[in-house]
Amino acid sequence: EAEVAQSPRYKITEKSQAVAFWCDPISGHATLYWYRQILGQGPELLVQFQDESVVDDSQLPKDRFSAERLKGVDSTLKIQPAELGDSAMYLCASSQGQFYGYTFGSGTRLTVV
Amino acid sequence: AQSVAQPEDQVNVAEGNPLTVKCTYSVSGNPYLFWYVQYPNRGLQFLLKYITGDNLVKGSYGFEAEFNKSQTSFHLKKPSALVSDSALYFCAADQPGTGNQFYFGTGTSLTVIP
Repeated sequence: EAEVAQSPRYKITEKSQAVAFWCDPISGHATLYWYRQILGQGPELLVQFQDESVVDDSQLPKDRFSAERLKGVDSTLKIQPAELGDSAMYLCASSQGQFYGYTFGSGTRLTVV
Repeated sequence: AQSVAQPEDQVNVAEGNPLTVKCTYSVSGNPYLFWYVQYPNRGLQFLLKYITGDNLVKGSYGFEAEFNKSQTSFHLKKPSALVSDSALYFCAADQPGTGNQFYFGTGTSLTVIP
């Protein structure tokens, strides 16, 4: 079964450092999402791509977060500088269309110390 | 505002008993509805979805969900709970025509007691 690949699985970084996460969606899925999930809460959308274009980044803290999907395939989410409040699970998901729902990756657990 | 509500943060059920995890939605139109399960330190796994048709949908691992349009609910059910069903469950709604953006509930932690 096809999967959404994410790396790293776990990341510990110091406050004010830069950190990056990578996501490789299922082949052929045009839509890619980055979600942030704080422990005990539901996922909240950070950014949505359709191919290489950003569809929705209204909840992305743009002063410190950036996301790109240059060739419309894999994607990178960056935080610079990281803050303590950024500690969370960062989930990537992809979709082939509205009818099908999302397929999630296993996530990256970020701890900022 | 569009939203999905899971009124119970925690549900406990004895192994072998039926389980229900509740979900209600406030999303315009005829949303697509989904249930996902999340195990510790993992991503969300798809369980089932309702698009149209029969109000009772069957999904993975013996789970099913009942769609009720008049009550705007989509409750997750299983006839006989297993200890391995213990996990975090999320309900989600997708509003057609909005570019494929989900609205997630806050999650319900299910504990099945041996």
